[in-house]
Formats: sequence, structure tokens, C-alpha cells
Amino acid sequence: NAGVTQTPKFQVLKTGQSMTLQCAQDMNHEYMSWYRQDPGMGLRLIHYSVGAGITDQGEVPNGYNVSRSTTEDFPLRLLSAAPSQTSVYFCATTGGTGAVGELFFGEGSRLTVL
Amino acid sequence: AQKITQTQPGMFVQEKEAVTLDCTYDTSDPSYGLFWYKQPSSGEMIFLIYQGSYDQQNATEGRYSLNFQKARKSANLVISASQLGDSAMYFCAMRERGNDMRFGAGTRLTVKP
Repeated sequence: NAGVTQTPKFQVLKTGQSMTLQCAQDMNHEYMSWYRQDPGMGLRLIHYSVGAGITDQGEVPNGYNVSRSTTEDFPLRLLSAAPSQTSVYFCATTGGTGAVGELFFGEGSRLTVL
Repeated sequence: AQKITQTQPGMFVQEKEAVTLDCTYDTSDPSYGLFWYKQPSSGEMIFLIYQGSYDQQNATEGRYSLNFQKARKSANLVISASQLGDSAMYFCAMRERGNDMRFGAGTRLTVKP
């Protein structure tokens, strides 16, 4: 059971470079989301999607783009990386609706922007 | 606005003792879910326990229980008989109708031998 797969696990970028964090799930869940984790701030929601073709902003969307062309994939794009985007990124999915159902997380991607 | 508050940045507990990790939340939605996650030093997020706002009884999962006080809007995690492997970051989270889950800042628990 792969569950939620994130790539790459580690990445170092220079300021201004672009990159895409990949997320794929094989759980057939409609809902997918991206979080960033910073020390002392917990996990903060960047973007989420409730199904293919539908995306919406979370708490901290600036500097990030997403798209959802398939149920399985939800890539996160950094168009012009900044040092403030140095963080650990988690992709998550759930099959629950409303207030029910835990999130299943990928293993995380550690990004450093120099 | 921060909806989940964990006031204990760090906690220590002696092995085999019980420990309570605090969590308060804020919502006006009558339907919500409360979750606790564990994050060991390896970094993965591990789901521990869930409590629904309409659940009459406190949730329990093995050594984990959730002390749910709805009127006080608190959802404290109780870990009984602490083990060295319980040393980790613990996050409280809430999910309202609308699917996205919001997290507290976390509590780092250290279990002493």
C-alpha cells in the first residue's frame, strides 16, 4: 500500500528558481491538500482540492500554485522560490466528508531555498 | 485566526506515568471533528485518535484517550503508561464542515527513563 507518495524528499533551490513538488495517492480519495510545517507554527494549509478540476486556497497560498487534473495527482508549484519558503511540505488526503475522517499524510518534502 | 491552541510547547513525563497534552479550539460550527497526530523524529505524521462533536463518549484508542469537554472547547490528549517511544511532537487538529483541517502549534513530549 503506497498511500500518499511525495517526491522529492529533499531539495535545495536558489532564490528565484522554480520547482514542482509531486504528490500522488492511490487511495481514490477526492480531497487532497498541501501543508507546510515550520518550527513553532504547526502545519499550515497552503492549497486544497475537493476533486479533479477544483482547487482552493488555504491559509498561506501566496507564492504557490496548484492544479488537479486527475484524482490521483496534486502537484505544488513554486514559481519563484524565496528563502521564506524554506520548510517541510506535506501532502495529505482524506476520504471522509464534512468533519469526519482523518488525513493521511505523505512522508514530507524538505525544501531549502538559499 | 488561530482556531487551535496548544499552550504547552514542551512536556516531560516519567516512563510508565500518564501525561495530558492540552488543546483548546474555537469554532461556531456545531459539527466538527477533533484529531490528534504524533510526529516522531523521523518526521511522518501518525494519526492517533478522533473525536466527533456529537459523540457522547470520550474517544479511546489503546493507551490514548481524548478528554473532550465541549462546553469548555477543550480536547486534551491523555497518554497512559508512557513509553520511551512516545517521545515525539503531538499536534491537535480540528476539521469543520468544509474538509480542510487546521492544526495547533504542537507540543513536544519527552519521556524520561
